[in-house]
Amino acid sequence: SQQGEEDPQALSIQEGENATMNCSYKTSINNLQWYRQNSGRGLVHLILIRSNEREKHSGRLRVTLDTSKKSSSLLITASRAADTASYFCATGGSEKLVFGKGTKLTVNP
Amino acid sequence: NAGVMQNPRHLVRRRGQEARLRCSPMKGHSHVYWYRQLPEEGLKFMVYLQKENIIDESGMPKERFSAEFPKEGPSILRIQQVVRGDSAAYFCASSPEDGTYYYSLGEKLFFGSGTQLSVL
Repeated sequence: SQQGEEDPQALSIQEGENATMNCSYKTSINNLQWYRQNSGRGLVHLILIRSNEREKHSGRLRVTLDTSKKSSSLLITASRAADTASYFCATGGSEKLVFGKGTKLTVNP
Repeated sequence: NAGVMQNPRHLVRRRGQEARLRCSPMKGHSHVYWYRQLPEEGLKFMVYLQKENIIDESGMPKERFSAEFPKEGPSILRIQQVVRGDSAAYFCASSPEDGTYYYSLGEKLFFGSGTQLSVL
């Protein structure tokens, strides 16, 4: 079964707005990662947050982690049309990353 | 410095044929991982290889699927006697060394653009 489950499945916003995606997972983790996938392309690593961290920033990205609720959120601020993509959370160390089904984000110009 | 290269980008096969997917890891990377992505799904781990060794194939279907990473040349994912259910995007990733050494392998994992397999 999937370790991470993203919510919502799809999100459509206007350019300049903020986009928030959530991820829930089932077992204990050492870290959680977020990836972006443009249509028909491979995954690009965005950000990693460790289990002892609560919040992390990278440019326009802000990730939070609540280990008590087994959930994480990805916030993209001041979105751009180029942010249109699918976003996946992934858990697991070593070589076996376990991905959720993703959130499909559409940013309308 | 070229990234992870996969070919072909698109592969069409009829039921019963064989599919061979190739992956050349990034320069200096000796670890290769194959993932499969079904439509509207996340990626699912299939197999982890080092040069001439299969380290973990727990995600590989028991039949028809095989993978290799020879001393020379790309890694090959081979699917024999393809069926329609094999239609998916197959992604390869590579990393420079044993991921378990790192607290967070994900930072060291680089993905290719994938091969879209369509079985008619």
